[in-house]
Amino acid sequence: EVQLKESGPGLVQPSQTLSLTCTVSGFSLTDYSVHWVRQPPGKGLEWMGVMWSGGSTAYNSALKSRLSISRDTSKSQVFLKMNSLQTEDTAIYYCTLEFLYSGQGTLVTVSS
Amino acid sequence: DVVMTQTPVSLPVSLGGQASISCRSSQSLVHSNGNTYLHWYLQKPGQSPQLLIYRVSNRFSGVPDRFSGSGSGTDFTLKISRVEPEDLGDYYCLQSTHFPPTFGSGTKLEIK
Repeated sequence: EVQLKESGPGLVQPSQTLSLTCTVSGFSLTDYSVHWVRQPPGKGLEWMGVMWSGGSTAYNSALKSRLSISRDTSKSQVFLKMNSLQTEDTAIYYCTLEFLYSGQGTLVTVSS
Repeated sequence: DVVMTQTPVSLPVSLGGQASISCRSSQSLVHSNGNTYLHWYLQKPGQSPQLLIYRVSNRFSGVPDRFSGSGSGTDFTLKISRVEPEDLGDYYCLQSTHFPPTFGSGTKLEIK
Protein backbone atom coordinates (compact mmCIF):
# COMPACT_ATOMS: atom_id res chain seq x y z
CA GLU A 1 0.00 0.00 0.00
CA VAL A 2 1.35 3.39 -1.00
CA GLN A 3 1.62 5.88 1.84
CA LEU A 4 3.15 9.33 2.17
CA LYS A 5 3.35 11.33 5.36
CA GLU A 6 4.57 14.88 5.80
CA SER A 7 6.12 16.05 9.04
CA GLY A 8 7.66 19.24 10.31
CA PRO A 9 7.19 22.20 12.62
CA GLY A 10 3.73 23.69 12.70
CA LEU A 11 5.04 27.17 13.40
CA VAL A 12 7.96 29.01 11.82
CA GLN A 13 9.07 32.54 12.54
CA PRO A 14 9.35 35.06 9.70
CA SER A 15 12.71 35.04 7.92
CA GLN A 16 13.49 31.57 9.26
CA THR A 17 13.95 28.32 7.34
CA LEU A 18 11.27 25.68 6.92
CA SER A 19 12.29 22.02 6.98
CA LEU A 20 9.77 19.34 6.06
CA THR A 21 10.10 15.58 5.65
CA CYS A 22 7.99 13.31 3.47
CA THR A 23 8.26 9.69 4.58
CA VAL A 24 7.01 7.20 2.03
CA SER A 25 6.22 3.50 1.97
CA GLY A 26 4.90 1.06 -0.59
CA PHE A 27 7.22 2.24 -3.37
CA SER A 28 10.84 3.10 -3.99
CA LEU A 29 12.08 6.66 -4.41
CA THR A 30 14.42 5.38 -7.11
CA ASP A 31 11.45 4.25 -9.21
CA TYR A 32 9.06 7.18 -8.81
CA SER A 33 9.23 10.94 -8.45
CA VAL A 34 7.87 12.87 -5.47
CA HIS A 35 6.47 16.37 -5.85
CA TRP A 36 5.76 19.03 -3.26
CA VAL A 37 2.55 21.08 -3.54
CA ARG A 38 1.24 23.73 -1.17
CA GLN A 39 -2.12 25.34 -0.48
CA PRO A 40 -2.58 28.59 1.44
CA PRO A 41 -5.66 28.55 3.68
CA GLY A 42 -8.81 28.88 1.60
CA LYS A 43 -6.85 29.11 -1.67
CA GLY A 44 -5.77 26.90 -4.54
CA LEU A 45 -2.89 24.52 -5.17
CA GLU A 46 0.65 25.54 -6.12
CA TRP A 47 3.32 23.18 -7.42
CA MET A 48 6.61 23.78 -5.66
CA GLY A 49 9.13 21.29 -6.94
CA VAL A 50 10.04 17.69 -7.61
CA MET A 51 12.60 15.06 -6.70
CA TRP A 52 12.90 12.91 -9.80
CA SER A 53 13.48 9.18 -9.45
CA GLY A 54 16.99 9.60 -10.80
CA GLY A 55 17.88 12.03 -8.03
CA SER A 56 17.73 15.33 -9.88
CA THR A 57 15.38 18.14 -8.91
CA ALA A 58 13.31 20.88 -10.51
CA TYR A 59 11.68 23.88 -8.92
CA ASN A 60 8.95 26.44 -9.42
CA SER A 61 10.77 29.47 -10.75
CA ALA A 62 8.97 31.71 -8.26
CA LEU A 63 10.45 29.73 -5.36
CA LYS A 64 13.72 28.51 -6.84
CA SER A 65 15.97 30.95 -5.02
CA ARG A 66 14.61 29.87 -1.63
CA LEU A 67 13.81 26.19 -2.14
CA SER A 68 15.83 23.00 -1.91
CA ILE A 69 14.61 19.40 -2.22
CA SER A 70 16.74 16.40 -1.30
CA ARG A 71 16.25 12.77 -0.32
CA ASP A 72 17.58 9.82 1.64
CA THR A 73 16.63 6.71 -0.29
CA SER A 74 17.78 4.41 2.52
CA LYS A 75 15.18 5.99 4.80
CA SER A 76 12.54 6.49 2.06
CA GLN A 77 12.42 10.16 2.85
CA VAL A 78 12.24 13.31 0.76
CA PHE A 79 13.13 16.65 2.33
CA LEU A 80 12.00 20.18 1.58
CA LYS A 81 13.88 23.21 2.82
CA MET A 82 12.76 26.74 2.13
CA ASN A 83 14.42 29.81 3.57
CA SER A 84 13.41 33.41 4.19
CA LEU A 85 9.85 32.46 5.07
CA GLN A 86 7.17 35.15 5.09
CA THR A 87 3.55 35.16 6.22
CA GLU A 88 2.42 34.41 2.68
CA ASP A 89 4.20 31.05 2.95
CA THR A 90 1.58 29.97 5.50
CA ALA A 91 0.00 26.93 3.87
CA ILE A 92 -0.69 23.23 3.99
CA TYR A 93 2.27 21.46 2.40
CA TYR A 94 1.69 18.15 0.61
CA CYS A 95 4.02 15.61 -0.89
CA THR A 96 2.66 13.50 -3.71
CA LEU A 97 3.74 10.43 -5.62
CA GLU A 98 3.64 11.61 -9.23
CA PHE A 99 0.29 13.32 -8.51
CA LEU A 100 -1.29 9.89 -7.98
CA TYR A 101 -1.26 9.66 -4.19
CA SER A 102 -0.73 12.39 -1.61
CA GLY A 103 -0.01 12.63 2.06
CA GLN A 104 -2.55 14.21 4.39
CA GLY A 105 -0.51 17.42 4.40
CA THR A 106 1.08 19.44 7.17
CA LEU A 107 0.02 22.95 8.10
CA VAL A 108 2.85 25.44 8.40
CA THR A 109 2.08 28.81 9.95
CA VAL A 110 4.59 31.62 9.56
CA SER A 111 4.18 33.97 12.47
CA SER A 112 6.16 35.62 15.21
CA ASP B 1 3.77 28.80 -17.68
CA VAL B 2 0.55 27.18 -18.95
CA VAL B 3 -2.47 28.95 -17.51
CA MET B 4 -5.39 26.69 -16.60
CA THR B 5 -8.72 28.52 -16.64
CA GLN B 6 -11.32 26.58 -14.68
CA THR B 7 -15.03 27.41 -14.66
CA PRO B 8 -17.33 27.89 -12.92
CA VAL B 9 -15.88 29.02 -9.60
CA SER B 10 -18.94 27.75 -7.76
CA LEU B 11 -21.42 25.13 -8.93
CA PRO B 12 -24.66 24.60 -7.02
CA VAL B 13 -26.20 21.23 -7.83
CA SER B 14 -29.10 19.16 -6.63
CA LEU B 15 -28.43 15.73 -5.20
CA GLY B 16 -29.04 13.24 -7.97
CA GLY B 17 -28.39 15.87 -10.59
CA GLN B 18 -25.55 16.38 -13.04
CA ALA B 19 -22.55 18.73 -12.85
CA SER B 20 -20.08 19.83 -15.49
CA ILE B 21 -16.77 21.60 -14.90
CA SER B 22 -14.61 23.12 -17.63
CA CYS B 23 -10.86 23.52 -17.76
CA ARG B 24 -9.15 25.38 -20.60
CA SER B 25 -5.41 25.64 -21.09
CA SER B 26 -3.44 28.51 -22.62
CA GLN B 27 -1.71 26.07 -24.95
CA SER B 28 -2.27 22.58 -26.23
CA LEU B 29 -1.71 19.84 -23.65
CA VAL B 30 -0.76 17.21 -26.22
CA HIS B 31 2.71 15.99 -25.30
CA SER B 32 5.29 15.21 -27.96
CA ASN B 33 4.73 11.53 -27.11
CA GLY B 34 1.07 11.85 -28.13
CA ASN B 35 -0.37 11.66 -24.61
CA THR B 36 -2.37 14.45 -22.98
CA TYR B 37 -1.51 14.95 -19.32
CA LEU B 38 -4.68 16.57 -17.97
CA HIS B 39 -5.97 15.27 -14.66
CA TRP B 40 -8.87 15.98 -12.30
CA TYR B 41 -8.89 16.00 -8.50
CA LEU B 42 -11.49 16.28 -5.76
CA GLN B 43 -10.54 17.85 -2.46
CA LYS B 44 -13.11 17.10 0.22
CA PRO B 45 -13.25 19.44 3.21
CA GLY B 46 -10.23 18.96 5.46
CA GLN B 47 -8.64 16.38 3.16
CA SER B 48 -5.86 16.29 0.62
CA PRO B 49 -6.73 16.28 -3.09
CA GLN B 50 -7.58 12.84 -4.43
CA LEU B 51 -7.12 11.82 -8.04
CA LEU B 52 -10.32 11.16 -9.95
CA ILE B 53 -9.36 11.18 -13.63
CA TYR B 54 -5.92 10.93 -15.21
CA ARG B 55 -4.90 11.68 -18.78
CA VAL B 56 -8.23 13.27 -19.72
CA SER B 57 -10.60 10.33 -19.42
CA ASN B 58 -9.17 7.48 -17.31
CA ARG B 59 -10.84 6.88 -13.97
CA PHE B 60 -8.40 6.22 -11.15
CA SER B 61 -8.71 3.13 -9.00
CA GLY B 62 -11.95 3.06 -7.01
CA VAL B 63 -13.50 6.11 -8.68
CA PRO B 64 -17.19 5.53 -9.50
CA ASP B 65 -18.30 5.60 -13.12
CA ARG B 66 -20.47 8.62 -12.29
CA PHE B 67 -17.29 10.59 -12.95
CA SER B 68 -16.19 11.04 -16.54
CA GLY B 69 -13.63 13.19 -18.27
CA SER B 70 -13.41 14.31 -21.86
CA GLY B 71 -11.74 16.83 -24.11
CA SER B 72 -8.69 17.40 -26.21
CA GLY B 73 -6.09 20.01 -27.06
CA THR B 74 -6.95 22.95 -24.84
CA ASP B 75 -10.53 22.25 -23.80
CA PHE B 76 -11.49 19.69 -21.15
CA THR B 77 -14.57 18.77 -19.15
CA LEU B 78 -15.31 16.79 -16.01
CA LYS B 79 -18.87 15.52 -15.69
CA ILE B 80 -20.45 14.12 -12.56
CA SER B 81 -23.76 12.36 -12.92
CA ARG B 82 -26.17 11.44 -10.13
CA VAL B 83 -24.40 13.73 -7.67
CA GLU B 84 -24.12 12.28 -4.16
CA PRO B 85 -23.31 14.05 -0.88
CA GLU B 86 -19.79 12.54 -0.91
CA ASP B 87 -19.06 14.37 -4.19
CA LEU B 88 -19.18 17.79 -2.56
CA GLY B 89 -15.92 19.71 -2.30
CA ASP B 90 -13.39 21.52 -4.45
CA TYR B 91 -12.45 20.19 -7.88
CA TYR B 92 -9.14 21.02 -9.55
CA CYS B 93 -7.65 20.30 -12.94
CA LEU B 94 -3.90 19.83 -13.34
CA GLN B 95 -1.74 19.81 -16.44
CA SER B 96 1.60 18.02 -16.32
CA THR B 97 2.37 18.04 -20.04
CA HIS B 98 4.42 21.21 -19.79
CA PHE B 99 6.90 22.26 -17.12
CA PRO B 100 6.02 23.48 -14.56
CA PRO B 101 2.84 21.59 -13.71
CA THR B 102 -0.02 24.02 -13.18
CA PHE B 103 -3.42 23.73 -11.52
CA GLY B 104 -6.74 25.30 -12.30
CA SER B 105 -8.08 27.68 -9.68
CA GLY B 106 -10.76 25.28 -8.50
CA THR B 107 -14.53 24.77 -8.60
CA LYS B 108 -16.58 24.42 -5.45
CA LEU B 109 -19.38 21.89 -5.88
CA GLU B 110 -22.14 22.63 -3.38
CA ILE B 111 -25.73 21.73 -2.71
CA LYS B 112 -28.37 23.89 -4.36
